Amino acid sequence: GEDVEQSLFLSVREGDSSVINCTYTDSSSTYLYWYKQEPGAGLQLLTYIFSNMDMKQDQRLTVLLNKKDKHLSLRIADTQTGDSAIYFCAESGGAGSYQLTFGKGTKLSVIP
Amino acid sequence: DAGVIQSPRHEVTEMGQEVTLRCKPISGHDYLFWYRQTMMRGLELLIYFNNNVPIDDSGMPEDRFSAKMPNASFSTLKIQPSEPRDSAVYFCASSLGGFGNTIYFGEGSWLTVV
Repeated sequence: GEDVEQSLFLSVREGDSSVINCTYTDSSSTYLYWYKQEPGAGLQLLTYIFSNMDMKQDQRLTVLLNKKDKHLSLRIADTQTGDSAIYFCAESGGAGSYQLTFGKGTKLSVIP
Repeated sequence: DAGVIQSPRHEVTEMGQEVTLRCKPISGHDYLFWYRQTMMRGLELLIYFNNNVPIDDSGMPEDRFSAKMPNASFSTLKIQPSEPRDSAVYFCASSLGGFGNTIYFGEGSWLTVV
């Protein structure tokens, strides 16, 4: 079945860039997503990328997709303490699939 | 716009009791999803509905779990009888169908079974 892998923890200093990585196995994935979960809250969609793109930028967020290696990354520029959260990578299945498969999440800690 | 609304936010119940979790999706959305989040297994899709019809319930762990969607604005997830291993955060989510579907999550129902 589909699998999405992420490292569990990342710690960065305030003002530095954060890079959160994700690998997935389903080559038919149509869309790939990044969600953010703050403590005690639900998941908030940050951004998504269509599988025929290799980069998407949205303000401080940059998503890079290497479809050949099935590798997705999320770069947060000028990381702030408010960015401390768990970040989930998710992939949707192939055509007609409305299911998301999530990674276990990367906990980002921002050190002031 | 109101997001996905779930209730209760927190529930503590004794083993063997029935638990009912409720969800109101975003108005106009035609897909509704129930997810469970635990430390060990991360986020798991339990079941999803399209236009109030269950499409895939293969993620429902066992017969103790059931979900219904009697109309477009309401869904329930029921656990009967509950067990301590059911302790988790249960998320409801909804989306407007089609490619590039963006799934919006509720804030979750935090269930503890003692």
